[in-house]
This record gives sequence, structure tokens and C-alpha cells, in this order.
Amino acid sequence: EAQVTQNPRYLITVTGKKLTVTCSQNMNHEYMSWYRQDPGLGLRQIYYSMNVEVTDKGDVPEGYKVSRKEKRNFPLILESPSPNQTSLYFCASSLSSGEQGNEQYFGPGTRLTVT
Amino acid sequence: SQQGEEDPQALSIQEGENATMNCSYKTSINNLQWYRQNSGRGLVHLILIRSNEREKHSGRLRVTLDTSKKSSSLLITASRAADTASYFCATDANGNNRLAFGKGNQVVVIP
Repeated sequence: EAQVTQNPRYLITVTGKKLTVTCSQNMNHEYMSWYRQDPGLGLRQIYYSMNVEVTDKGDVPEGYKVSRKEKRNFPLILESPSPNQTSLYFCASSLSSGEQGNEQYFGPGTRLTVT
Repeated sequence: SQQGEEDPQALSIQEGENATMNCSYKTSINNLQWYRQNSGRGLVHLILIRSNEREKHSGRLRVTLDTSKKSSSLLITASRAADTASYFCATDANGNNRLAFGKGNQVVVIP
């Protein structure tokens, strides 16, 4: 089944404790992206990747890191989480980053609480 | 990046009625997409309409795009209780998959 998976689905952590949220897709998609969703603010892009070893900042990258060593995986790293990073996080992937744009497939989300 | 904005923000209708949502954006686009989100879950793609298209259909969904007014509408015909969800429009300015999302429309379909 074609899908995007995220782990963990729920996480409660404390300020400053490094964490990684994994994202994996099985559709051989080139493009992958991370979003955060907050009430009243909609979805905002954190980082995106056009292909392996190619990543770039989205609209709200501060406090986050990513890597794209393999095509299928795109982990989101919070080196020193803070309470303002409490949010619902989504990973998404898309077929290509060409000039036409494509539909994005979203993971189920990771609800992160930082105390 | 630009951002779509949906109007109205919340809509409550009876099952069987039609639901219409609008989205406006500020700059030129390559394509515009509509997504559905059931409470707290991942977004599901509904329709993608390109800047050179004016209307697109998918089952009970109809999307229009007016690039001169920088607006789009999503119509759900013969609504069902299962259509209860939040609906987001998202614009892709350059065709490079970088989407800017609106804040979403909450639709409640009453059985």
C-alpha cells in the first residue's frame, strides 16, 4: 500500500531533550516536506527536500533540522525542543519537483508536546 | 510565500445539501490544490487544478479557478455526513511543489 509513515505518532517531552521524528515513504517520491499545524495558523512548511542530499528551508525552519540521505526517509530533528514547538507535525511526499506540481501525500501526523 | 485564504471559515449544512467554499490568493500560481482533513488526521488530496484550467470535476466535487480574480471555489454536491471535515486550499506558485496553505474551512454535515 502506498503510504507515508511517521513515528512516533504522539510524543511528550521536556525542554531541551533532543528528539527525532521519522518519516518514510514507499512511493519512490523525489519531493518530501515537513509541515506544522497550529490552531488558527493553518499548515506552515518547515523544511523541504527536492531529492536526496537536497534540502532547503521552508517558512518556519528555526529550531529544526532535517536530512535526506536516502530517497525514502526524511527525518525531522529538534536539537533542543522548546514549548513553542508544541504542535501537530505532518510529513508529506510528492512524485517530483518538476515544473508542473503534483498532489502531495501526507503522513498521519505526530502530535508533539514540549513541557 | 503566498497563502490561500478560505471563506467562509465554518459551514454547517444538512445532509443532501450542497456546500461551497471559496479561496483567494495574492500572487500568480502554477496550480491550486484542495485537501480534506478529518479531525486531527493527515490531509487527503482532493483535486489539483492548473492555472490554465477553469473547472475540474471529481465525483461529487467541482472546483473552479478564476485567475483574473485570484480565487477558487470548491463545491461538494449532495453532501453526506462523511464529508464532515476541514477543507484546505493550497497554492503552488512555481510548480515546484512548495505549497502555501490557507487556514481551512470547517464543514459539518448534519445527518
